[in-house]
Formats: sequence, C-alpha cells, structure tokens
Amino acid sequence: AQSVSQHNHHVILSEAASLELGCNYSYGGTVNLFWYVQYPGQHLQLLLKYFSGDPLVKGIKGFEAEFIKSKFSFNLRKPSVQWSDTAEYFCAVTPKAAGNKLTFGGGTRVLVKP
Amino acid sequence: GAVVSQHPSWVICKSGTSVKIECRSLDFQATTMFWYRQFPKQSLMLMATSNEGSKATYEQGVEKDKFLINHASLTLSTLTVTSAHPEDSSFYICSASIQGPYEQYFGPGTRLTVT
Repeated sequence: AQSVSQHNHHVILSEAASLELGCNYSYGGTVNLFWYVQYPGQHLQLLLKYFSGDPLVKGIKGFEAEFIKSKFSFNLRKPSVQWSDTAEYFCAVTPKAAGNKLTFGGGTRVLVKP
Repeated sequence: GAVVSQHPSWVICKSGTSVKIECRSLDFQATTMFWYRQFPKQSLMLMATSNEGSKATYEQGVEKDKFLINHASLTLSTLTVTSAHPEDSSFYICSASIQGPYEQYFGPGTRLTVT
C-alpha cells in the first residue's frame, strides 16, 4: 500500500519568511498529487494539484509545489508567508490506477508569527 | 462552486445509541463520496468510498456493520455510527468528487462526542 510522509510536524516562522514543506510518497506507479490546507476551524481546501505536465505547479495564495519523480517528492513552497497562512497543510496522493482514492500525509502545522 | 455540506456539524450522543451524519454536494452531482475520520492532531484516515446506488467499499480495519454508509443519490451520502461508544468519538469528514478531475471537495466535518 502507498504511504505519504510529511517530514515536519510543526513549523514556526515569522511573517515574510520563506516556507518549504516536504512530502514524500511511496508508490512505484503514476500518481496524482495534491496539497490541501485546513485553516483553524475550517474545512480542507485544495491549494494545488499535479496530474501531469510541468512538474512545477502554481496554486492559490502564492503557493507552488514541485514534483520530482526521481525523489518521489512533492514539496510545497511559498517565498514569503503571511500571518494568515497559519494552518495545517496536508499532502495527499492518489495512484492513477486507484481512481481518486486519496492517501494523506500526517500533516504539518504551520504557525506564522506576526 | 463545488460546495459540500455536512449535518450536523457537532453531535453528542450517549453510548449505545446510533448517530446519522449527512453529506451533501450542494451545487454538483458527485459520482463518488468518501468518508474520513480525523483524530485530534492527526491526519485524515479514509474509512470508505461510496458510489451512488451501490454498496460502499470499506477500508481495511473499518467495521462495515458499525459504520453504515448509504449513498441514495448523486448529492447525498449518509454515515450512521451504530451502537456508538466513546472510542468512536472523532471528527468525521466527507468529500465528494466528480468523475474525471480526480479532485475531492471536502465538507466542513462533523464532531461526534460519545459519552
């Protein structure tokens, strides 16, 4: 079975700092990749997704992620965070052969200090 | 667009009783709906996948007789927690997808507390 690892459980940084969250998955086949965000008290929202094509994906709110197939990674980045980026971030993977059944990583709680 | 609602958002029930949670796709028809469970400070764990008009597919370790899923229409799926116990207390989240984009739209979740 596939698994998804997010290396950082908690990240604390100041406004304007750059953010990078790691995500690695274990699955040998072709995958679709997602990053979701859960703001405090809100439901999961899609930040960005990768299905095919350009491995550098741009999402909402200034986020981007890069798919590196050889490293089985899909790291999330934002050059300059804001206080409003305080949230929990989840990486998720679905093997193309499994339809749209998502496997989530453990999540990373990000706290941005004003 | 692509809004998913859940009802109730929060429920407390006594041990031994059953609780039904509704998941609705408000502005689209969902070919598939998913039910997840999220423990405090943990990730989402897929419980089951349901397609309209057919039986749900449960993940390994999920008791199908305890967590009854009904997907009666393309906009409604229900999860019934039968004979609930305190260990069933959790945050239950549904999602819905439209065939093709493989993208899931998540509901706001239902917090279940069993006393």
